[in-house]
Amino acid sequence: DIQMTQSPSALSASVGDRVIITCRASQTISVYLNWYQQRPGQAPKFLIYGSSSLQSGVPSRFTGSGSGTDFTLTISSLQPEDFATYYCQQSYSVPQTFGQGTKVEIK
Amino acid sequence: EVQLVESGGGLVRPGGSLRLSCAASGFSFSSFSMNWVRQVPGKGLEWVSSISGSGSYIHYADSVKGRFTVSRDNTNNSVYLQLSNLRAEDTAIYYCARELVGTTSPLDYWGQGTLVTVSS
Repeated sequence: DIQMTQSPSALSASVGDRVIITCRASQTISVYLNWYQQRPGQAPKFLIYGSSSLQSGVPSRFTGSGSGTDFTLTISSLQPEDFATYYCQQSYSVPQTFGQGTKVEIK
Repeated sequence: EVQLVESGGGLVRPGGSLRLSCAASGFSFSSFSMNWVRQVPGKGLEWVSSISGSGSYIHYADSVKGRFTVSRDNTNNSVYLQLSNLRAEDTAIYYCARELVGTTSPLDYWGQGTLVTVSS
C-alpha cells in the first residue's frame, strides 16, 4: 500500500496568513493526488484533484502543486472559514490512501 | 443537485452484522463508481471499499476484506455495505462518496455519514 504522510499534523495561523501543507507519498503517484477539507462535524469536502486542478466553486486562494512523491496545498490568505482539517489522498492505486490530516487552528 | 444519504448505522455487538445504505440522487447513478470511507470520530479518513458503475469491479481494504460486502442497485440508485463479523475497531462514521470520472478519480460528493458503534 502507498503511505501518505502529511506535515505538519497541526498548525496555528491567523486570518490573512499564508499556509502551506505538504504531503509525501511512499512511492511515485504521478499527479494522482487529491485534497479535501473537513470542518468539525461535517463530511469531507473535495477541493483539488490531479494535484493542482481546483474543483469548481473552490476559492482561488487554494492552490495545489507537485508530482511524483511530493505535493503541497497552499492557502494564500487564510480566511475564517478555512479553519479545518485538510487531507491528501492518492488515487494512483488501490487501496486509495489518505494522509493523516493537518488541522489548521486559529492562532 | 447531487445528494447522497446514508442510513443503517447503529449499535451492534461484536460479531454482529449491519447493512448500510446510501441513497443517491441528482446524477446518472449507474455512470459512477461509488466508494465507502470511514472515520473513527476525531481521527483520520480510511478508504473501505469501491464498486464500479456496473458493479463488475469491486475493491476492499485489507482491514475489511472477507467481512464487508459492497453492492449496488442501479434501478433504485443505491449502494450498500454489508458489515459482518464486526469488531470494536470497526466503530466509525461511514461515508459513501461518489468517484468523479475522467480525472484522477477524486471523491467529489460525500454523504453526511452514518455512525456504526460496535460494543457489548
